[in-house]
Amino acid sequence: DAGITQSPRHKVTETGTPVTLRCHQTENHRYMYWYRQDPGHGLRLIHYSYGVKDTDKGEVSDGYSVSRSKTEDFLLTLESATSSQTSVYFCAISETGNSYNSPLHFGNGTRLTVT
Amino acid sequence: AQSVTQLDSQVPVFEEAPVELRCNYSSSVSVYLFWYVQYPNQGLQLLLKYLSGSTLVESINGFEAEFNKSQTSFHLRKPSVHISDTAEYFCAVSEGTDKLIFGTGTRLQVFP
Repeated sequence: DAGITQSPRHKVTETGTPVTLRCHQTENHRYMYWYRQDPGHGLRLIHYSYGVKDTDKGEVSDGYSVSRSKTEDFLLTLESATSSQTSVYFCAISETGNSYNSPLHFGNGTRLTVT
Repeated sequence: AQSVTQLDSQVPVFEEAPVELRCNYSSSVSVYLFWYVQYPNQGLQLLLKYLSGSTLVESINGFEAEFNKSQTSFHLRKPSVHISDTAEYFCAVSEGTDKLIFGTGTRLQVFP
């Protein structure tokens, strides 16, 4: 298994509070991604990073921000959590970001509940 | 814009029966196609992929998928399923070096 650790694995928080999820990799891969998984929607890309301090938005980025100060860590922050952000969040990594020669490897997910 | 459709949200099947999980995509250019599997409480794992060449691709655990360009499909099949195949299966597509687009998933439930 690719060395990807997500923390925490489970979190319950209240509406309006900030929340930060962490993804740590030991593979030294350049690309890192944050997805959310919801029934009926599959996986949707929130943000991704193509290097230290280099990030870009995905298809559902509103209400989320990210930071990558080191190759191995990619943080996802919900600035003011809402109930619509209750979801399972997955971090993924890719060596080159090119699906032809570098498939995505996923962490085991963080289940976030916003009450 | 590319998109992926998995028509079946759930597929129940008895052990040792054959199964087909359907995937259709829309794209006007050449694509790469993937099937990922998610076992309970885990992340997704790559099951198999079509990049070019032979339209029939196989996985190490007996699944196969066939790329059909005229039908824009990439259906996943297994001739005889096991209880351990119970999982959610995601089809995904990318255009060239673009990011992956995932389908909504099909939950395969294998009964004894």
